[in-house]
Amino acid sequence: RKEVEQDPGPFNVPEGATVAFNCTYSNSASQSFFWYRQDCRKEPKLLMSVYSSGNEDGRFTAQLNRASQYISLLIRDSKLSDSATYLCVGQGVSGGYNKLIFGAGTRLAVHP
Amino acid sequence: DGGITQSPKYLFRKEGQNVTLSCEQNLNHDAMYWYRQDPGQGLRLIYYSQIVNDFQKGDIAEGYSVSREKKESFPLTVTSAQKNPTAFYLCASRGASGNTIYFGEGSWLTVV
Repeated sequence: RKEVEQDPGPFNVPEGATVAFNCTYSNSASQSFFWYRQDCRKEPKLLMSVYSSGNEDGRFTAQLNRASQYISLLIRDSKLSDSATYLCVGQGVSGGYNKLIFGAGTRLAVHP
Repeated sequence: DGGITQSPKYLFRKEGQNVTLSCEQNLNHDAMYWYRQDPGQGLRLIYYSQIVNDFQKGDIAEGYSVSREKKESFPLTVTSAQKNPTAFYLCASRGASGNTIYFGEGSWLTVV
């Protein structure tokens, strides 16, 4: 089983739709979680950190459920520019260093 | 502007040749990382370095080598021992006080 698992998609949604991605992790020692956005043939860029209390940044809301070991990302009022791959990332200490584990990503395609 | 610079962006290698990918950062970050990304897969850690003159193997270090002689520089050599080197290579760095890592724009390596 992969340490971080995501539905690969693609999620095809119309502009204005609300879409939610889930991500599950297997290592309960993971301390921090993030969502990164990766455009086609580009480097990943940090979208937002994920906190247990939930956090919101504009149209984006991230939630962490430690009991069930899953992370979610909600995008409201989807824009064409939201089309990208969204990577779920877990971070913990392993072997004395901060180790990041990346999911394979969920692809989102927003259409007119 | 501060950031991470990778070069070359595109590189073609003949089988049996070693190639070196450059990664330079002016963010004054201590930790630097090399990841490999294959289509439809998450990022996999090749090597990491937490401080100058020190580096450790990641999950897929075989066929790769690195050096960290300067804080700003963390070059990756893909040797002829790497049997399937065609991939997208990402260099990243992280500051001492932050959890966030920042990526360079990546290098596309193709074996011909």
